Amino acid sequence: NAGVMQNPRHLVRRRGQEARLRCSPMKGHSHVYWYRQLPEEGLKFMVYLQKENIIDESGMPKERFSAEFPKEGPSILRIQQVVRGDSAAYFCASSPSRGSGVQPQHFGDGTRLSIL
Amino acid sequence: SQKIEQNSEALNIQEGKTATLTCNYTNYSPAYLQWYRQDPGRGPVFLLLIRENEKEKRKERLKVTFDTTLKQSLFHITASQPADSATYLCALDMRGKLQFGAGTQVVVTP
Repeated sequence: NAGVMQNPRHLVRRRGQEARLRCSPMKGHSHVYWYRQLPEEGLKFMVYLQKENIIDESGMPKERFSAEFPKEGPSILRIQQVVRGDSAAYFCASSPSRGSGVQPQHFGDGTRLSIL
Repeated sequence: SQKIEQNSEALNIQEGKTATLTCNYTNYSPAYLQWYRQDPGRGPVFLLLIRENEKEKRKERLKVTFDTTLKQSLFHITASQPADSATYLCALDMRGKLQFGAGTQVVVTP
């Protein structure tokens, strides 16, 4: 059973460009979470999605950042007009339905975004 | 807002000894607390989950305690091995989203 797959593993963009980060959850998982890890800092929650719905986006910057989890295909984290401060490791996690109680989250190995 | 504190200094320990890590939080107690392991360049890996009505949870050489009165969780690695060297993250489950501590690095020397 494949784990959470993130691509690309490394992404380099110039200031002002767009960055698209992809996440394929584990098979059977309908919940996706995005986290950001800045150098020398802990993981910070960004957004929590179910298929076609945003459940909690309280950690998302108000501008330039958006996320989606369509009915078909991977979840996408999109950063428009990137700035140097967006350089970080972005991790995606997935879990099955929480209907049967809290479930641990399974993480991918992240996308390391570097802004030139 | 919730604040989570883990020892920022690396824990250096000799192989075979028990490593004990601390996770303290402020404000209200979550219903669940989770511990993860993270290796350099990799994503966190789930280790243990403990509920607020559970005092202790074990998995092989790992043990977690959860004291909602003290607002503290302790994470123990018994009979530590060099392969246990990693950063260990405490996370509070806030209705789906996880709020992480900064992590404690553990270094086990032979």
